[in-house]
Amino acid sequence: EVQLVESGGGLVQPGGSLRLSCAASGFTFSSYAMSWVRQAPGKGLEWVSGISASGASTYNADSAKGRFTISRDNSKNTLYLQMNSLRAEDTAVYYCAKRTHYGDKPAFDYWGQGTLVTVSS
Amino acid sequence: DIQLTQSPSFLSASVGDRVTITCRASQGISSYLAWYQQKPGKAPKLLIYAASTLQSGVPSRFSGSASGTEFALTITSLQPEDFATYYCQQLNGYLFTFGGGTKVEIK
Repeated sequence: EVQLVESGGGLVQPGGSLRLSCAASGFTFSSYAMSWVRQAPGKGLEWVSGISASGASTYNADSAKGRFTISRDNSKNTLYLQMNSLRAEDTAVYYCAKRTHYGDKPAFDYWGQGTLVTVSS
Repeated sequence: DIQLTQSPSFLSASVGDRVTITCRASQGISSYLAWYQQKPGKAPKLLIYAASTLQSGVPSRFSGSASGTEFALTITSLQPEDFATYYCQQLNGYLFTFGGGTKVEIK
């Protein structure tokens, strides 16, 4: 059974940093690209960052560029999101998601339960 | 960046109704589009990928279609468990974006 379990969320002051983790199991983690998606309270989904299966390539939404760094440790089956210079507008539930390919068509087929990040003084 | 405009943002319907949600892309994305269902406090669930292919285990009352840059999710005969928020997502390239969401509520 595929499982994605996020951790590391919490309350942080504006300007602070936080590192989120996503522990993966039930599939060959090193074979799949992964992403972080967030959802501010009462709002819609926002894709934040993505990383290739090997970790060699990373991609960020404009909202994350220069502040967030996605990485992975395939030996530990774990995905990370290092978040620096946090702002109030970064307050959200952060989900990790597995990206699969159906032929050449990708989709996010499994999601974690999410971890809440609150940026407030 | 590719923008997705989803409509309506809110929809009130009754059990048994047929409902259609549309998603318009700001540029061509071929069929690199997925639909997700999200219930309160839960993670999104993949319903449809490649614009029109039903994910395994998803009821056949859900269907997806595409015409150019306009995509649609249709639910025939709405069931009580279908009341949720639905999102489209484009996966063309490497910068993925979601539509704003459509909340389907009970009339």
